[in-house]
Amino acid sequence: EAQVTQNPRYLITVTGKKLTVTCSQNMNHEYMSWYRQDPGLGLRQIYYSMNVEVTDKGDVPEGYKVSRKEKRNFPLILESPSPNQTSLYFCASSLANSGRVFFGQGTRLTVV
Amino acid sequence: AQSVTQPDIHITVSEGASLELRCNYSYGATPYLFWYVQSPGQGLQLLLKYFSGDTLVQGIKGFEAEFKRSQSSFNLRKPSVHWSDAAEYFCAVGAEEYGNKLVFGAGTILRVKS
Repeated sequence: EAQVTQNPRYLITVTGKKLTVTCSQNMNHEYMSWYRQDPGLGLRQIYYSMNVEVTDKGDVPEGYKVSRKEKRNFPLILESPSPNQTSLYFCASSLANSGRVFFGQGTRLTVV
Repeated sequence: AQSVTQPDIHITVSEGASLELRCNYSYGATPYLFWYVQSPGQGLQLLLKYFSGDTLVQGIKGFEAEFKRSQSSFNLRKPSVHWSDAAEYFCAVGAEEYGNKLVFGAGTILRVKS
């Protein structure tokens, strides 16, 4: 089954403790991205990757890092999480310029 | 840059009544347009999409949307709402020149009265 898998689904952590949210897709998609969803703001793109070793900032990249060492994986790294990063995070993937975007189930992160 | 406006934060309709959710976008050329639905505690589900061609698009769950270039709108409609339609709805726009980035509206929360 074609899917985008995020882990964990839920995470509560403390300020400053590094964490990684994993994202994996099984569709051989070139394009992957991360979004955060906040009430009243919809989803906003954090980072994206056009292919292996090619990443770039989205609209809200501050406080986040990503890497794309393999085509299927695109982890989101929070080196020093802060409470304002409490949010619902979605990973997405698609073929280049296909317009058909597949979303993961989301990761609800709480930073206390 | 692309932008999307969903003017209604909340909408309440009675079960069985018709529904229209508004979406306006800002983009110079013909965009890709999407409607997603998110039930409480759930992920995003694609309802329908418009890339080109017929401006009236049919989606899942009985939803449809109409692309009106002159009004820069892509409103979502359903003739008869069911209680299970209560959810948050997001309009999104993409464009070939921006790769696969989607820009989302702020969302509209739909409540259904029985």
